Amino acid sequence: SQTIHQWPATLVQPVGSPLSLECTVEGTSNPNLYWYRQAAGRGLQLLFYSVGIGQISSEVPQNLSASRPQDRQFILSSKKLLLSDSGFYLCAWSVSTTGNEQFFGPGTRLTVL
Amino acid sequence: AQSVSQHNHHVILSEAASLELGCNYSYGGTVNLFWYVQYPGQHLQLLLKYFSGDPLVKGIKGFEAEFIKSKFSFNLRKPSVQWSDTAEYFCAVNPGGSYIPTFGRGTSLIVHP
Repeated sequence: SQTIHQWPATLVQPVGSPLSLECTVEGTSNPNLYWYRQAAGRGLQLLFYSVGIGQISSEVPQNLSASRPQDRQFILSSKKLLLSDSGFYLCAWSVSTTGNEQFFGPGTRLTVL
Repeated sequence: AQSVSQHNHHVILSEAASLELGCNYSYGGTVNLFWYVQYPGQHLQLLLKYFSGDPLVKGIKGFEAEFIKSKFSFNLRKPSVQWSDTAEYFCAVNPGGSYIPTFGRGTSLIVHP
């Protein structure tokens, strides 16, 4: 069966520090991968998605970037964190055809101080 | 761009009450429709989905949803809620041929025992 992992689960970082959040998927090949930010009462904001290795699409211009160095690995990064980057970050995957359901990871709670 | 509206942001019910959560979307073409649920402390997970066929779909834990194309709606229902249904519920719409779903803002449901 397929599983999705995210780490770390929680992270507290100072303003201006770098960020690296990792997401890996097991039990499937060539998944679509997604990064979301979830804010209370505001739903899920899609940040990035990827349909293949090295292919990244950004939905919202911001202080973050994403990379997909391997088929089932998706990384969310920042060179310098802002206070506004605080939030709950979710990684998700779906099968490679369009329009399918997504499977979500446990999330990372990021606090920028 | 398409949008998804969930009209009820906070719902409080007593056990055994009936539930209906509204979801409307603004896309005129073929869509795939989803309801996701996030129980306290758990991953966001699929509750039910509609791709085609019978517009009344049944999901896990006694939930169902009805797709009404003329109203651009996909409302979620349960005839008798339980305390364990306390969770956040998200409606999502994926236009045909798209990798990217649009999520509603979510509805927080609290069920009192």
